[in-house]
Amino acid sequence: GAVVSQHPSWVICKSGTSVKIECRSLDFQATTMFWYRQFPKQSLMLMATSNEGSKATYEQGVEKDKFLINHASLTLSTLTVTSAHPEDSSFYICSVLRPGNTEAFFGQGTRLTVV
Amino acid sequence: GEDVEQSLFLSVREGDSSVINCTYTDSSSTYLYWYKQEPGAGLQLLTYIFSNMDMKQDQRLTVLLNKKDKHLSLRIADTQTGDSAIYFCAESIPPSNTGKLIFGQGTTLQVKP
Repeated sequence: GAVVSQHPSWVICKSGTSVKIECRSLDFQATTMFWYRQFPKQSLMLMATSNEGSKATYEQGVEKDKFLINHASLTLSTLTVTSAHPEDSSFYICSVLRPGNTEAFFGQGTRLTVV
Repeated sequence: GEDVEQSLFLSVREGDSSVINCTYTDSSSTYLYWYKQEPGAGLQLLTYIFSNMDMKQDQRLTVLLNKKDKHLSLRIADTQTGDSAIYFCAESIPPSNTGKLIFGQGTTLQVKP
């Protein structure tokens, strides 16, 4: 069964609004989760590392004020796309590393379309 | 910095073997992963290998690692139409497996009946 669950699977929002995406680790507690972004027909790019109980770590070029990350519990991280614009339309996927640092599991992804 | 490269497309006939290739740049100890992505879906972890291993087999999947050439391959035996998907090679960012991954561009596997 699924190890990581994302919600929603897809969302359409208007420009200027904010959208929250949830990522849940179902099988184990995760002090660290990761958020990736995938443009159509392209690879995945790491956006940020979500740290439970502390601030997220963002990759170079990713606006932390636009992509707000909250990791309030050991099984839930949320990514909020603030003041969304059409160029934010993308596929957002989270991942969790199994304790013991071997298998990295991904959620099913969230397709965001900003109109 | 780290970089992962893959060929973009592979077409095979049903029942044949598929071999998807990947090269990576970092020589530190690392984990290397293969993921499968079907249209509109997330990533399914197929298998992974640690960089001190040469080979790993799991049912129809065989991973070969050539450390000298930094070349990784995924062989799918008896390829089926259900194997049609995009396959991503990924490398964990060294020096340890922090969970951060660098992905290749993905190889689209087309299986013809």
